Amino acid sequence: AQRVTQPEKLLSVFKGAPVELKCNYSYSGSPELFWYVQYSRQRLQLLLRHISRESIKGFTADLNKGETSFHLKKPFAQEEDSAMYYCALHIYNQGGKLIFGQGTELSVKP
Amino acid sequence: GAGVSQSPSNKVTEKGKDVELRCDPISGHTALYWYRQRLGQGLEFLIYFQGNSAPDKSGLPSDRFSAERTGESVSTLTIQRTQQEDSAVYLCASSFKPLLNTEAFFGQGTRLTVV
Repeated sequence: AQRVTQPEKLLSVFKGAPVELKCNYSYSGSPELFWYVQYSRQRLQLLLRHISRESIKGFTADLNKGETSFHLKKPFAQEEDSAMYYCALHIYNQGGKLIFGQGTELSVKP
Repeated sequence: GAGVSQSPSNKVTEKGKDVELRCDPISGHTALYWYRQRLGQGLEFLIYFQGNSAPDKSGLPSDRFSAERTGESVSTLTIQRTQQEDSAVYLCASSFKPLLNTEAFFGQGTRLTVV
């Protein structure tokens, strides 16, 4: 079965520290993965997608098919990065269903 | 409007009553998703519509839940005989035909409280 796992419910770091939010997936096909973010009192929105290999707000994520992971990283966390982060898997061969992990709350302390 | 719109924003209902939640997707978006977000938990997939294809209802938790969508427009999620465990934020999202690299856009959600 397709599944996205985010093992950490809460991650708390100090400003300037490196951050890694873990995401593992289970999918037999070729995965398409995203990270979505929800800032306080805002809508859930796309942060980045693996296929673009982009860096957004200093965040990057590399797809590791061997480890079935798509961890989100940032070398120096900022207070404004505090938010809920969701990893998402696009089930392309089932017409495009999008499933999410449980989310990780990132808290960046001053 | 420019974004996905959901109504109502908040709904308080008595246990046992039926509720109907509405989602207006972005114009031109053929895909529409419903999710449930319980307090302190992640996004739980409920149902997915794509164009005129049969919807993927695999996430609906019970037969009290149903959803409809007319063409590529408005969708309604109906919960019959509401229970307290139905209390959650219900999120709707839409996207263009889900080819590679398609972004889903979310509404602000409907907060449902069953008392």
